[in-house]
Amino acid sequence: AQSVTQLGSHVSVSEGALVLLRCNYSSSVPPYLFWYVQYPNQGLQLLLKYTSAATLVKGINGFEAEFKKSETSFHLTKPSAHMSDAAEYFCAVSRTGANSKLTFGKGITLSVRP
Amino acid sequence: DVKVTQSSRYLVKRTGEKVFLECVQDMDHENMFWYRQDPGLGLRLIYFSYDVKMKEKGDIPEGYSVSREKKERFSLILESASTNQTSMYLCASTLGSGYTFGSGTRLTVV
Repeated sequence: AQSVTQLGSHVSVSEGALVLLRCNYSSSVPPYLFWYVQYPNQGLQLLLKYTSAATLVKGINGFEAEFKKSETSFHLTKPSAHMSDAAEYFCAVSRTGANSKLTFGKGITLSVRP
Repeated sequence: DVKVTQSSRYLVKRTGEKVFLECVQDMDHENMFWYRQDPGLGLRLIYFSYDVKMKEKGDIPEGYSVSREKKERFSLILESASTNQTSMYLCASTLGSGYTFGSGTRLTVV
């Protein structure tokens, strides 16, 4: 079985500050890992994905995530937060690839203070 | 761009009604999924389908069924709606490079 843990439900940062959203996974096989973002009243949009190539993955809107097998982590970062980054962020894991079923974390809401 | 369209944005139904949620994708994707999203619980997989007329149960299939008669359309059916099925329902499709989600249907059962 696979699972994802996103600790906390809400993160608040100031505009221009570092964004760090944590994700830890559990998987019995090498995982595929994803971060999705959901803006208010919209569906989810793929930010980035790890599929066993480079461990540092760059995504859209300046976000990146690093796969650390020893820590079973896939934390999402952005050097400088923008007001438009305010949204809900979901980490997800798959055993067999980007087109198979995903297991999502509970999500974390990012607020950005002016 | 792939489009996944969910027929209703908001829906209000009465307890005991049979409810159909429709999802259509326009890029010939084989894999389609239905999730429900609840605050503090994230997304939970209800059913999925890897091909026409094929379906598999997800993590929370109880009280739901699905239909996939054509490749582009994947319907979620609530056989007898109950108040605990009030939720946001998200459909997604994929061909291997990550999911494309619809905008969701917010269902309220009264």
